[in-house]
Amino acid sequence: DAGVTQSPTHLIKTRGQHVTLRCSPISGHKSVSWYQQVLGQGPQFIFQYYEKEERGRGNFPDRFSARQFPNYSSELNVNALLLGDSALYLCASSLERDTEAFFGQGTRLTVV
Amino acid sequence: SQELEQSPQSLIVQEGKNLTINCTSSKTLYGLYWYKQKYGEGLIFLMMLQKGGEEKSHEKITAKLDEKKQQSSLHITASQPSHAGIYLCGADLGGSSNTGKLIFGQGTTLQVKP
Repeated sequence: DAGVTQSPTHLIKTRGQHVTLRCSPISGHKSVSWYQQVLGQGPQFIFQYYEKEERGRGNFPDRFSARQFPNYSSELNVNALLLGDSALYLCASSLERDTEAFFGQGTRLTVV
Repeated sequence: SQELEQSPQSLIVQEGKNLTINCTSSKTLYGLYWYKQKYGEGLIFLMMLQKGGEEKSHEKITAKLDEKKQQSSLHITASQPSHAGIYLCGADLGGSSNTGKLIFGQGTTLQVKP
């Protein structure tokens, strides 16, 4: 069975640009969450979507947005990129909101 | 300060030795999750603990959640080079056992010397 898949795996962007990251959850999983992990730290929660509705938002600026599609896949969008947005962006999916969450391999975003 | 504190931050052990990693919170842990991460890669799910006093084992890794549900430990028996990596504890501190909104500790980096 395919796990959580994220694309692209690596990305280099310039300050001020926009980026879209994509996530396909494990088949049947309805909850998708996004995390940002900067070097040397644990992941920080950004968004959770469940059944296509936003169910939680972490302490991130409005430049960060996300959505979940009818097939439960998800996109994370970041506008007006800053150098500080450079990080590993992780997507996690779970069958329900209280079942174990499985993570994808992440997208490494570098902003120059 | 971190809502979840892991100790130690890093650990170097000789192959075959046992080790313990701790995860402590000032709040009740409504679900405690242990993950392993290879540098720059995604997180691999290890174990989920939800009840006070619960203990789970998988191969040579055992995780416990204390009765008060404020501390968890991860114990590796007879460590191997394959155990090397970053161990992360995550928890829902909001009281809803929501696995999609986890707070993570800063991680414990484990090196196992052959």
